[in-house]
Amino acid sequence: DIQMTQSPSTLSASVGDRVTITCRASQSISSWLAWYQHKPGRAPKLLIYKASSLESGVPSRFSGSGSGTEFTLTISSLQPDDFATYYCQQYYSSWTFGQGTKVEIK
Amino acid sequence: QVQLQESGPGLVKPSETLSLTCTVSGGTISSYYWSWIRQPPGKGLEWIGYIYYRGSTNYNPSLKSRVTISVDTSKNQFSLKLTSVTAADTAVYYCARAYGDYTIYHFEYWGQGTLVTVSS
Repeated sequence: DIQMTQSPSTLSASVGDRVTITCRASQSISSWLAWYQHKPGRAPKLLIYKASSLESGVPSRFSGSGSGTEFTLTISSLQPDDFATYYCQQYYSSWTFGQGTKVEIK
Repeated sequence: QVQLQESGPGLVKPSETLSLTCTVSGGTISSYYWSWIRQPPGKGLEWIGYIYYRGSTNYNPSLKSRVTISVDTSKNQFSLKLTSVTAADTAVYYCARAYGDYTIYHFEYWGQGTLVTVSS
């Protein structure tokens, strides 16, 4: 199985901050990576697919980059609605997720 | 807007069968792939399996011997059965619509999830 490792596990930030979350794969997954936002009690929301493609309706402050084994999700200017947990997911071989990064208020 | 809603018992006894249904609204179940994903308390997300609306399936090898996913296009629903459950199957179970062609890729829409506890 391909293991996905996210860092950091928790990130404290303020509104307006630029935030970067990293996701590393245990082997190359090309660009077969998605990012999700999850708030407690809510349905997870697709943000990015194929490493850098922005899902329709997702604000442009979210962006994804990377290929191979290292990927990043960047929020250019953190908004109050962005405090949540973020997960990466690979779909190169089967389907596995990172353990999540919680973005909390500083 | 496509919406998914999980339903089923919140408590299942050890060795019994966990049964959940996902009802799809705001769109048709036809022409898409549908999946189940779970998250045990304090742990990461685990893909369980998927079904194409025509009935073909693919299951996580770690659960394959215990899992069955089925679809009812007339009701716009798909279902999960997990047999011989133990406490390790306690989790929030999510249903999701997957983007795919001959296989699935990412998960476009998710339900809110339902907590299933395995306990006597």
